[in-house]
Amino acid sequence: DGGITQSPKYLFRKEGQNVTLSCEQNLNHDAMYWYRQDPGQGLRLIYYSQIVNDFQKGDIAEGYSVSREKKESFPLTVTSAQKNPTAFYLCASSMSRTGGEETQYFGPGTRLLVL
Amino acid sequence: AQSVTQLDSHVSVSEGTPVLLRCNYSSSYSPSLFWYVQHPNKGLQLLLKYTSAATLVKGINGFEAEFKKSETSFHLTKPSAHMSDAAEYFCVVRGGYSTLTFGKGTMLLVSP
Repeated sequence: DGGITQSPKYLFRKEGQNVTLSCEQNLNHDAMYWYRQDPGQGLRLIYYSQIVNDFQKGDIAEGYSVSREKKESFPLTVTSAQKNPTAFYLCASSMSRTGGEETQYFGPGTRLLVL
Repeated sequence: AQSVTQLDSHVSVSEGTPVLLRCNYSSSYSPSLFWYVQHPNKGLQLLLKYTSAATLVKGINGFEAEFKKSETSFHLTKPSAHMSDAAEYFCVVRGGYSTLTFGKGTMLLVSP
């Protein structure tokens, strides 16, 4: 059963704490993406990776970090530098790195809340 | 650079009546356009996509959208709304590379 999984579904962060959100895909997709969703804002791109061991900043990368050590995994760390981390975080993947029909498939999301 | 404007933040319809969700885009490239749907606290599901083939695109669950280059529009329609269609809908444009630009979403409310 192929797809994208995100864990945990809900995550609580204390002030000054780093937290890591997991994203795994078994679709054999090259490219993976992290988005942040706030009410009334649509989705905004945080980071994306088009190939293992490479990633680029999106529109709102400040306060976040990522790694891409394996093709199927793209974890996102929300650092203490991110002053307003409360949001719904969505991971996505797509088949090809450039060009073609770049349909992105989304995971179920992780809701991050600050205590 | 590309951008997307969803013209309505909320649309209310009665069950069985037509649905129209409006989207205008701008893009420096020949765009690829998508509509995604999101049910509460869920991920996004692809409804349909336009990638420079037929201008009228049919998607899942009876939805379709028409690409009109002269109007830079990609409106989403459905002839008859169902209660299960109540959700948030996002119009999305892909420009010259692999990243997407999302509209701010339109919440579709369906009343019995």
